Amino acid sequence: GESVGLHLPTLSVQEGDNSIINCAYSNSASDYFIWYKQESGKGPQFIIDIRSNMDKRQGQRVTVLLNKTVKHLSLQIAATQPGDSAVYFCAENPPSGNTPLVFGKGTRLSVIA
Amino acid sequence: ETGVTQSPTHLIKTRGQQVTLRCSSQSGHNTVSWYQQALGQGPQFIFQYYREEENGRGNFPPRFSGLQFPNYSSELNVNALELDDSALYLCASSALRGILNSPLHFGNGTRLTVT
Repeated sequence: GESVGLHLPTLSVQEGDNSIINCAYSNSASDYFIWYKQESGKGPQFIIDIRSNMDKRQGQRVTVLLNKTVKHLSLQIAATQPGDSAVYFCAENPPSGNTPLVFGKGTRLSVIA
Repeated sequence: ETGVTQSPTHLIKTRGQQVTLRCSSQSGHNTVSWYQQALGQGPQFIFQYYREEENGRGNFPPRFSGLQFPNYSSELNVNALELDDSALYLCASSALRGILNSPLHFGNGTRLTVT
């Protein structure tokens, strides 16, 4: 069935280093992907999205890479800051039309000061 | 621009009771989706509303129902509450229907505890 999974459930990074959070998706027909950040006690916050006709998209300090050949998505955070500590979810939009997004379990990013 | 707001923030109910959760969409958004997030898990899709009609549903039983109003606000109703219904319930709105690849914008959720 449709599923989105993550390779690493937890990630600890030194402040100032770059972070890479990985995600595998199973539906090769999914055409839209989003990364969300969720802090404790809050709802998921949109970070960046990418459509399937792209393989890379950059935002402010973040970059998303999409490899459709191996159905892999990654989020790169440059110069990681303590405020980046949160749970990160990737989500895919399957082509079925009326299911907005399918989320994975998430990766917890801990930034060590 | 007003974001997605949900009420109440926390709620405690007893097994067998009914609950109604409320959501106000972000200004300009006409589609609302509801998600259930169990502790330590990713959000699971419950259903989506567009133009006051349900137009997509996840793997949830009929005791989960909803409404969307002309002002695009929404309610999630859960009947005959079970202990496993304890979770964070998230409302999300988007400018267009999901198939048009518009990102969902989430509220901070309602934490429901069923005892």
